[in-house]
Amino acid sequence: DTEVTQTPKHLVMGMTNKKSLKCEQHMGHRAMYWYKQKAKKPPELMFVYSYEKLSINESVPSRFSPECPNSSLLNLHLHALQPEDSALYLCASSQEGGLPEPQHFGDGTRLSIL
Amino acid sequence: GDSVTQMEGPVTLSEEAFLTINCTYTATGYPSLFWYVQYPGEGLQLLLKATKADDKGSNKGFEATYRKETTSFHLEKGSVQVSDSAVYFCALSSSGGYQKVTFGTGTKLQVIP
Repeated sequence: DTEVTQTPKHLVMGMTNKKSLKCEQHMGHRAMYWYKQKAKKPPELMFVYSYEKLSINESVPSRFSPECPNSSLLNLHLHALQPEDSALYLCASSQEGGLPEPQHFGDGTRLSIL
Repeated sequence: GDSVTQMEGPVTLSEEAFLTINCTYTATGYPSLFWYVQYPGEGLQLLLKATKADDKGSNKGFEATYRKETTSFHLEKGSVQVSDSAVYFCALSSSGGYQKVTFGTGTKLQVIP
């Protein structure tokens, strides 16, 4: 069982649709992350939130819009996506401290763009 | 910048064989090192970690030792099982607080009965 919950597990959408991915954690972590993972590749960082503020945006196209409503929730709003955006989208969270702490990952949302 | 190099896969082993997956890194300062495992259809799970030189991380029969002199963090297991079939990622992070993790390319392990 993972401690980071992502919904939905699968999503199929057209290029003109608007949808949202959701992520929730109750471990008290103050850092939350979105990653994109293509098949047979490592995860690629998209966004980092620290204490509910966007701290890192890895030059992600504006058709991806993150939101952190509170310390437990992280959303990723999707609009006008392209077929190449089809991938597994992973959410993660971690403690903030002096030493790097491991990240805890959800099982991801598998996104297919038609 | 930071980088992680893993051995190319896939690695195919018979059950009860010895496993080594090589990992070397380049980083400024003194990074923490991690091994993550990804089973089919799932996210990444932390397998083990080490935060300073000569630390040995261990979990579920897997071990890795942080070797600063050779900048390596090789993953080993004495006797693999079919259930160990997964993709293994070596990773490092040089920063505390919120952090950027540098992942290796991943090594797929297939264990056959």
